[in-house]
Amino acid sequence: GAGVSQTPSNKVTEKGKYVELRCDPISGHTALYWYRQSLGQGPEFLIYFQGTGAADDSGLPNDRFFAVRPEGSVSTLKIQRTERGDSAVYLCASSLTLDREDEQFFGPGTRLTVL
Amino acid sequence: GNSVTQMEGPVTLSEEAFLTINCTYTATGYPSLFWYVQYPGEGLQLLLKATKADDKGSNKGFEATYRKETTSFHLEKGSVQVSDSAVYFCALRDTGRRALTFGSGTRLQVQP
Repeated sequence: GAGVSQTPSNKVTEKGKYVELRCDPISGHTALYWYRQSLGQGPEFLIYFQGTGAADDSGLPNDRFFAVRPEGSVSTLKIQRTERGDSAVYLCASSLTLDREDEQFFGPGTRLTVL
Repeated sequence: GNSVTQMEGPVTLSEEAFLTINCTYTATGYPSLFWYVQYPGEGLQLLLKATKADDKGSNKGFEATYRKETTSFHLEKGSVQVSDSAVYFCALRDTGRRALTFGSGTRLQVQP
């Protein structure tokens, strides 16, 4: 079956611009996670959703970052006034539920480059 | 807070050599522990996991044992193959949290 998909795969933007990154989770998965992976580092948690609501957004670095999941499926990560330090690979993952036994399945990521 | 520390890479081995990648962790609760693998050009995949002390996770010839007394979860394989070349991430998920905390990754290069 289809895995987690993310679009675009690559995004190049200029400092100060607004970007949106999209995640399509595995069908039927109620939990969705966003992580950010900087070069040479492991992924760092940003936010996760149970259904339509953000259950934990403690990893968002500042108020320029925002994420939505209006219908409990597709999610969009939005970054305002991008900065060069936002350049990273943004990873999305989904799991069947939030149960700690449920595996998180990762998408291929969106590589964001801020010039 | 939670943290995961992995040995720095790259680790370069010849085919059929024994592999150990060290991982230690700090957690406030009773975490579940994971190893994820990222093959070149692919996304992160779960390799194995252990959910409580003394559990051993295993998959594809890889093993790791959850050692609470040493807060470690070292990854081992008895005989590596060229196809095992990838980046390996140790991770934890602490009690009451759903997000994963990852280490910085260890690149493994296996030469024929």
